[in-house]
Amino acid sequence: DVKVTQSSRYLVKRTGEKVFLECVQDMDHENMFWYRQDPGLGLRLIYFSYDVKMKEKGDIPEGYSVSREKKERFSLILESASTNQTSMYLCASSLDPELAASTDTQYFGPGTRLTVL
Amino acid sequence: AQKVTQAQTEISVVEKEDVTLDCVYETRDTTYYLFWYKQPPSGELVFLIRRNSFDEQNEISGRYSWNFQKSTSSFNFTITASQVVDSAVYFCALSEYHNQGGKLIFGQGTELSVKP
Repeated sequence: DVKVTQSSRYLVKRTGEKVFLECVQDMDHENMFWYRQDPGLGLRLIYFSYDVKMKEKGDIPEGYSVSREKKERFSLILESASTNQTSMYLCASSLDPELAASTDTQYFGPGTRLTVL
Repeated sequence: AQKVTQAQTEISVVEKEDVTLDCVYETRDTTYYLFWYKQPPSGELVFLIRRNSFDEQNEISGRYSWNFQKSTSSFNFTITASQVVDSAVYFCALSEYHNQGGKLIFGQGTELSVKP
């Protein structure tokens, strides 16, 4: 079974703090994704990565950065947390050796519910 | 532009009722994939099904069935004889073949509540 884990289920931070959300997958997947989930908006893609040290912006990258130093780990960084970044953050991974045929199923972690005060 | 619409925000049924969750999508790509995910109260999205645009056969898996109709751009999900454990938020999603990185476009989700 695919296993995607996230470092924290719940996190409370203060405005202006630097926040790291960690995601690890154990299935040697090429692609990794970060989404945020807000009521009424579904899931929106923040960033994704299709290889080590590679990253691409999603639909809402502002205020976020990412790091992928190892294949199994994809980190989401909030450089200076703000209250409008209070949300549920979901990490996902998929196996896809060919970028042009990126249609493999994404498997999700349990999510991190972040509150910024 | 690509888009997924789940018009039903919330549905409430009594156990053993059948329930259908609607999903309508928009895409210009001729090759695409459609997904359904379940998100129970624990928060983790659980993959249910993946269907490509060239396969319009309906699929049944136990109490779950999916009706894919390209003519109406719909991919509806039916739960037969619903149970309390089916209570969750269900998401429909679209992935286009030519969309770099396999990005998923999600609908807003439908919250299903099954009461005993």
